[in-house]
Formats: sequence, C-alpha cells, structure tokens
Amino acid sequence: ELKVEQNPLFLSMQEGKNYTIYCNYSTTSDRLYWYRQDPGKSLESLFVLLSNGAVKQEGRLMASLDTKARLSTLHITAAVHDLSATYFCAVANQAGTALIFGKGTTLSVSS
Amino acid sequence: DTGVSQNPRHKITKRGQNVTFRCDPISEHNRLYWYRQTLGQGPEFLTYFQNEAQLEKSRLLSDRFSAERPKGSFSTLEIQRTEQGDSAMYLCASAGHHYGYTFGSGTRLTVV
Repeated sequence: ELKVEQNPLFLSMQEGKNYTIYCNYSTTSDRLYWYRQDPGKSLESLFVLLSNGAVKQEGRLMASLDTKARLSTLHITAAVHDLSATYFCAVANQAGTALIFGKGTTLSVSS
Repeated sequence: DTGVSQNPRHKITKRGQNVTFRCDPISEHNRLYWYRQTLGQGPEFLTYFQNEAQLEKSRLLSDRFSAERPKGSFSTLEIQRTEQGDSAMYLCASAGHHYGYTFGSGTRLTVV
C-alpha cells in the first residue's frame, strides 16, 4: 500500500530565511505533485515532477524529486508572508488511478 | 473553460438524511476523481471514473456512498443515512491526457 509522509507537519518561518519540506513515499511511483491549500479553499497545483532528478522552480519555491530515495523536497527561499498556507505532496499510485496525499505541512511566516 | 465546478458549496443536513453532491469537470477531461478531506488532514481518495466507468473505489467508500457518472460528463456522489463522521469537505478533481489534475472548490458537508 502506497503511503506518503511529510515532515515537518508545522513550520514557523521567519521572513527572509530559507526552509525545506520533505516528502517520503513508500512504493515506486512515476509522478509526484505539490499542492498549496489556503484555509477553506481548494487545492492549487504547484508542481508536477515526472522523473528522477526533476527540478522545478516557481518564484521562491523549488521542488525536486529523487525516485531512488523515494523523496521529494520543497525548498522555500527567503520566506514571505504570502507563502503562509498548507502544502501537500501527493504521489500517483502505480495504476495511475489515484493520488495519495500526505498529511500536509502548514507554514506560518512571521516578520 | 471555467474549471471544475462543484455544487452545492455548503450543505448542512441532519443525521440520517441523504445528500447528493454534483461535480462538473473540465469538459475535455475523461478522468474524474472524488476525494474527502477532514480538518487537518490531506485529501483521501474515494473513487475514480474514466469516462462513465467507475474503475476504482477506496475501502473508505462504504455501502452508504455511491457515485455515478452516467454520460461520462458530470458526476454525482450520494451519501445515504448520513452520520456525523461524514462531515468533511468533498473534493472533485478531473484530468485529461496530461498529468495535471484540476480540483474543484469542494462541497463542505456538516452533519448535525
């Protein structure tokens, strides 16, 4: 059974500093997704990572994928208040019929 | 293309009542998914349709839950004899030939 673990679950960040969120998964998969969710809202797609060594960047966020280690990281550069939200990683099951989500990492940025 | 539309946005129902939610996916997307999200948790997969065929159901989908996608376009999720534990956000997502999934805004169910 595919399981997805994120850590940390909560991250209190200071503006201007760098942080990393980790996402581990238990079985082989060829697709990993990162989503952002604001309170009471739906999921906003951030990145889709499709191959080993894939790296994608958008603004202050950079995601990478190591399929051999079954690990993805979401790196935050110079945190700003607008990044406060919950971030989920999700992994596609082998059949491609479902995304399995982690529990999410809630980021809070303070000045 | 207005994205994935879900109705209603909010539903409050008494325990024991039946409820039905609707999802209208992006028109060219042939894959449709239902998820349930409770407070502080990630979305949990419920069921998957490819066109009108329901190809996968989670063990979370008890006998009280049923989903349909009769013409391969919109989908409905019905919960019979609702229980307080059914209170959650129900999310619908659709996907086409590419790898991206688009999620709707969800239906928040409160069972009182």
